[in-house]
Amino acid sequence: DGGITQSPKYLFRKEGQNVTLSCEQNLNHDAMYWYRQDPGQGLRLIYYSQIVNDFQKGDIAEGYSVSREKKESFPLTVTSAQKNPTAFYLCASSIGPGAYEQYFGPGTRLTVT
Amino acid sequence: SQQGEEDPQALSIQEGENATMNCSYKTSINNLQWYRQNSGRGLVHLILIRSNEREKHSGRLRVTLDTSKKSSSLLITASRAADTASYFCATGEGNTPLVFGKGTRLSVIA
Repeated sequence: DGGITQSPKYLFRKEGQNVTLSCEQNLNHDAMYWYRQDPGQGLRLIYYSQIVNDFQKGDIAEGYSVSREKKESFPLTVTSAQKNPTAFYLCASSIGPGAYEQYFGPGTRLTVT
Repeated sequence: SQQGEEDPQALSIQEGENATMNCSYKTSINNLQWYRQNSGRGLVHLILIRSNEREKHSGRLRVTLDTSKKSSSLLITASRAADTASYFCATGEGNTPLVFGKGTRLSVIA
């Protein structure tokens, strides 16, 4: 089955802890993305990567970090510097950068208390 | 930066009725895409319309694009309870990532 997976589905952390969200794809896509979605809101772009070993900040990168060491993997770390980390996080991939159709994972709901 | 803006924010209809959602955007685009999101899930791509196309169909979906007015509409005909979801438009231009709107929440009542 080709697709994009995120784990875990639910994640709970204490304030002040860093946490890493996993995103893996076996679609052989070059580009990958991380979005944050708050209740009743649209998607806000955190980081994106157009190719392995390269990534760019999106609109709300502060308090987050990423790596892209392998084509199929794009983990997101939510650091303690992120002021309001509780949200639904979505990972996506596309065959190339820019205006291509994006394929989304099922999301990770992070709750920080 | 959010370019696409959907209207209305929420829509409630009876099963069998048609649902129309609109999307307005601000700058030039290569294409406009519509996605569906069921509650608590990831987004699913529905349809893509290129800037040189005016209308596109896929099953019960009809999308129109008016580049002079910088707007698009998504029509779902003969809606079903299973169409209940949020619908997002996303605009694409060049090598920059898609920009998503805030979505329309559609409720189809059986």
